[in-house]
Amino acid sequence: DVKVTQSSRYLVKRTGEKVFLECVQDMDHENMFWYRQDPGLGLRLIYFSYDVKMKEKGDIPEGYSVSREKKERFSLILESASTNQTSMYLCASSYTGGGYGYTFGSGTRLTVV
Amino acid sequence: GQQLNQSPQSMFIQEGEDVSMNCTSSSIFNTWLWYKQDPGEGPVLLIALYKAGELTSNGRLTAQFGITRKDSFLNISASIPSDVGIYFCAGQGYGGSQGNLIFGKGTKLSVKP
Repeated sequence: DVKVTQSSRYLVKRTGEKVFLECVQDMDHENMFWYRQDPGLGLRLIYFSYDVKMKEKGDIPEGYSVSREKKERFSLILESASTNQTSMYLCASSYTGGGYGYTFGSGTRLTVV
Repeated sequence: GQQLNQSPQSMFIQEGEDVSMNCTSSSIFNTWLWYKQDPGEGPVLLIALYKAGELTSNGRLTAQFGITRKDSFLNISASIPSDVGIYFCAGQGYGGSQGNLIFGKGTKLSVKP
């Protein structure tokens, strides 16, 4: 069964901490994405990547960075966590060429205190 | 960033009722997709539509790709308690960043037994 796996389901971090959210896919997808989901705001794109070592800013990149050193792994980094980054974070992957949609992970619910 | 207009935002229905929701866009898409997100999980693809006018079913779910390519509809017949969740529409354009999915904000469905 093909999968996108996010390393943690729940995380609690302190303000100012550096936070790493990890995502791994086993489908050999070229594209990977990070979203955050907040009530009433839907899915907002933070960063995406079309290939290893490539990254593109999404709609809300401020306060975040990403790393893609291997095709199957895409990491989201909160350089200095703040309470307004408390959210559900979703990772997704897809093939290039479109038409197949995205496969999502189960999400990481991050609380910053 | 660009977003789709998805309505309604939420629905409370009686078990056994039919459900309708829709998405509209100012842009043309070549693919429409519908996802469902169970509470605490990531979205899962329900139906993908590839041609204007296409009508596709998946069990009790039926979705249509609007003839103008700017809208799509999802119907759920004879709702049951496990239909509870958030339903997202997504449109996909052509190539590069245009191949990224554009998501609606979701329709939250609650079912009264």
